[in-house]
Amino acid sequence: KAGVTQTPRYLIKTRGQQVTLSCSPISGHRSVSWYQQTPGQGLQFLFEYFSETQRNKGNFPGRFSGRQFSNSRSEMNVSTLELGDSALYLCASSGLGATGTQYFGPGTRLLVL
Amino acid sequence: ILNVEQSPQSLHVQEGDSTNFTCSFPSSNFYALHWYRWETAKSPEALFVMTLNGDEKKKGRISATLNTKEGYSYLYIKGSQPEDSATYLCAYGSSNTGKLIFGQGTTLQVKP
Repeated sequence: KAGVTQTPRYLIKTRGQQVTLSCSPISGHRSVSWYQQTPGQGLQFLFEYFSETQRNKGNFPGRFSGRQFSNSRSEMNVSTLELGDSALYLCASSGLGATGTQYFGPGTRLLVL
Repeated sequence: ILNVEQSPQSLHVQEGDSTNFTCSFPSSNFYALHWYRWETAKSPEALFVMTLNGDEKKKGRISATLNTKEGYSYLYIKGSQPEDSATYLCAYGSSNTGKLIFGQGTTLQVKP
């Protein structure tokens, strides 16, 4: 089975712009979760989508949003970028809830200038 | 606020040493405890998912135990090798969804 893929792998944006990141889960997985990793903060949960519905949301401002398509691919969007949004964004797919192994993609590294 | 704490923050050992790390998590609303290994420039790799109090899991030289009543899990590495050098993360699931709360990780450096 192909693993979780994320595009693009690297991205440079300027403050005020918006960005869309994409995640394709493992075939058959219906849950996609998004995490942000910044130095000193560890992995922070952004949101989870399951069967095209947002099932859970972390503590991030409304500038962070996402969606999931019928083929389980997911996108996350960050509007009005701030310098502090510079981070590694990881998505993970799972076939189950909390008891299922989450398989991580390689991540998208975003730099906001 | 749900906090997951890991200790130590970092560890330097010699090849062949055995080592262990601790993960503390809230003992209420427990669904699952995950362990991941994260090597530089790679994706986090799942090691174990544990759901029952008293669970013990083993994968080669790595094993883990779980105590949900007191809210802790231990990860053990027997006979550390340089290729074990990585950051080890634990993550707590408090609901039957994909939301995981991660600890800050323990960074292990194994010297040949």
